[in-house]
Amino acid sequence: AQSVSQHNHHVILSEAASLELGCNYSYGGTVNLFWYVQYPGQHLQLLLKYFSGDPLVKGIKGFEAEFIKSKFSFNLRKPSVQWSDTAEYFCAVNAGGTSYGKLTFGQGTILTVHP
Amino acid sequence: DAMVIQNPRYQVTQFGKPVTLSCSQTLNHNVMYWYQQKSSQAPKLLFHYYDKDFNNEADTPDNFQSRRPNTSFCFLDIRSPGLGDAAMYLCATSRGGQVEETQYFGPGTRLLVL
Repeated sequence: AQSVSQHNHHVILSEAASLELGCNYSYGGTVNLFWYVQYPGQHLQLLLKYFSGDPLVKGIKGFEAEFIKSKFSFNLRKPSVQWSDTAEYFCAVNAGGTSYGKLTFGQGTILTVHP
Repeated sequence: DAMVIQNPRYQVTQFGKPVTLSCSQTLNHNVMYWYQQKSSQAPKLLFHYYDKDFNNEADTPDNFQSRRPNTSFCFLDIRSPGLGDAAMYLCATSRGGQVEETQYFGPGTRLLVL
């Protein structure tokens, strides 16, 4: 069965700092990869996803992620964070085998951005 | 513009007293999912419906059941809640038909077991 590992439980940054959140998955076949974000008091929502093509994908609010197949990684990046990026970020994988989006999530990374 | 609605947002129940959580959607999606998320842990898929077809995860306890009477509604029944079942329960939907499709989540119901 597939699994997803997020390296950091809590990341604290100042505004304008660069961000990289690590995500590794364990599955040898074709995968679809997602980052979801949960802002305080809100529901989970999609930030970006990769399913084929260019391994560098761009999402909302200036986020991007790079799929590196050889490293089984899908790290999330943002060059300059804002206070409003304070949220919990979840990496997720769909390892195929179905015709719909059944997901396995990582444990999440809480990002706190200080003004 | 609420798309996935969960009621109630907070639910308190007693040890062993059956409880039902509800989820409704306005997206007309084919697939509905229930996740359990305990504190500081990943959301864990319990089961899902593709239309009327029920799919249970292998490690979901028998204590958890689900019903989907129509496209719009899905219920999570916990027959005899234990203290370990206290968690956030998330409902999600997806269109169905594509492995890369997005899931749309509700706000969750936080269950407290006394």
